[in-house]
Amino acid sequence: AQKVTQAQTEISVVEKEDVTLDCVYETRDTTYYLFWYKQPPSGELVFLIRRNSFDEQNEISGRYSWNFQKSTSSFNFTITASQVVDSAVYFCALSDGGKFQFGAGTQVVVTP
Amino acid sequence: DAGVTQSPTHLIKTRGQQVTLRCSPKSGHDTVSWYQQALGQGPQFIFQYYEEEERQRGNFPDRFSGHQFPNYSSELNVNALLLGDSALYLCASSPAGGTMNTEAFFGQGTRLTVV
Repeated sequence: AQKVTQAQTEISVVEKEDVTLDCVYETRDTTYYLFWYKQPPSGELVFLIRRNSFDEQNEISGRYSWNFQKSTSSFNFTITASQVVDSAVYFCALSDGGKFQFGAGTQVVVTP
Repeated sequence: DAGVTQSPTHLIKTRGQQVTLRCSPKSGHDTVSWYQQALGQGPQFIFQYYEEEERQRGNFPDRFSGHQFPNYSSELNVNALLLGDSALYLCASSPAGGTMNTEAFFGQGTRLTVV
């Protein structure tokens, strides 16, 4: 069975601090895809990043970066120099044939 | 280009009633999935529609049913509403049959309250 664990329920930071969100996943599949989504108060889930199981190269996209390690089944996400607009709930998800298994989410609160 | 649109945005129903939620996918997308998100939790997969048929289903009772129309829009129906059905219902659309390497685009959801 697929499982995604986000152990952090809430993280509070002051603007310009970095924020790292942890995600641990479980799957028996050898090919899989991992995602991060952001959910602002409006409710819509906004796609942030996608990583497939073949590519462990860590990348940076603007203020976002991610650290994917198959050996520890972790897919952590970092926001650099946080801004108030980054305040939202962030979800890690594992795709199982187009069906998303989401974690419980981490609430990020960025204060000025 | 309009994204995923859902209607209505909010709904209040009485226990035992039936409800229908609607979703129009993003232009060019042919696969629609529905999720239930209880307060403070992650979205839970209900089912997915492709080519007007239910292709995958999550762990939800038969009270939850759906439909996809030829224009790819979709409906979610819930019968015999329970208080526990109160949640945000999210619709997601994907292109090309929704294969696992494509991201899904989500609507803003329908907030259902059962009283």
